[in-house]
Amino acid sequence: DTGVSQNPRHKITKRGQNVTFRCDPISEHNRLYWYRQTLGQGPEFLTYFQNEAQLEKSRLLSDRFSAERPKGSFSTLEIQRTEQGDSAMYLCASITSGVRTDTQYFGPGTRLTVL
Amino acid sequence: EDKVVQSPLSLVVHEGDTVTLNCSYEVTNFRSLLWYKQEKKAPTFLFMLTSSGIEKKSGRLSSILDKKELFSILNITATQTGDSAVYLCAVVPGAQKLVFGQGTRLTINP
Repeated sequence: DTGVSQNPRHKITKRGQNVTFRCDPISEHNRLYWYRQTLGQGPEFLTYFQNEAQLEKSRLLSDRFSAERPKGSFSTLEIQRTEQGDSAMYLCASITSGVRTDTQYFGPGTRLTVL
Repeated sequence: EDKVVQSPLSLVVHEGDTVTLNCSYEVTNFRSLLWYKQEKKAPTFLFMLTSSGIEKKSGRLSSILDKKELFSILNITATQTGDSAVYLCAVVPGAQKLVFGQGTRLTINP
């Protein structure tokens, strides 16, 4: 257990529905990252926050995806009008900026299946 | 575009064998290279490498970075069935976001 938690762990939804995932990072970590991992691939960067500010978004993050970190603690990732291609593991990771390490600590992930 | 390539993609060996996993990269503003082990869920951290030629070691696992040739290797000696996992290599190109390779799926047969 890395100290990063994600909920739910599994989500099955029908195409066209909206889904929301939550990530609670390690409490003293001010940077939070979202990644997506499909079967047989490494994780791909989606977006990251420093405190409550969203500093970068990948072009993988279409208009149907939105992420927030309203108080600089937990974060949510919402996918609207889900498509079958959204089926993947969504991973959250956290780290403290300003220190000499790049080691991100990952949560257990939310596995999304879109039927 | 930043790119990380791992090889082999899949490897099956017998318990007790030694394995070497490869990671090559092309990134702008290289900061560091990380190795993670992923079993059925979250990637767990193994090593962070920033300097060429300095071996990092943890038990039967070791890793080294060559910044001139842009690659890293991860060695596992005396492999055990518990080493079966996907091993991910990632580089950090400045903004602390991780750029991952595809991973190497390692299977250790008893």
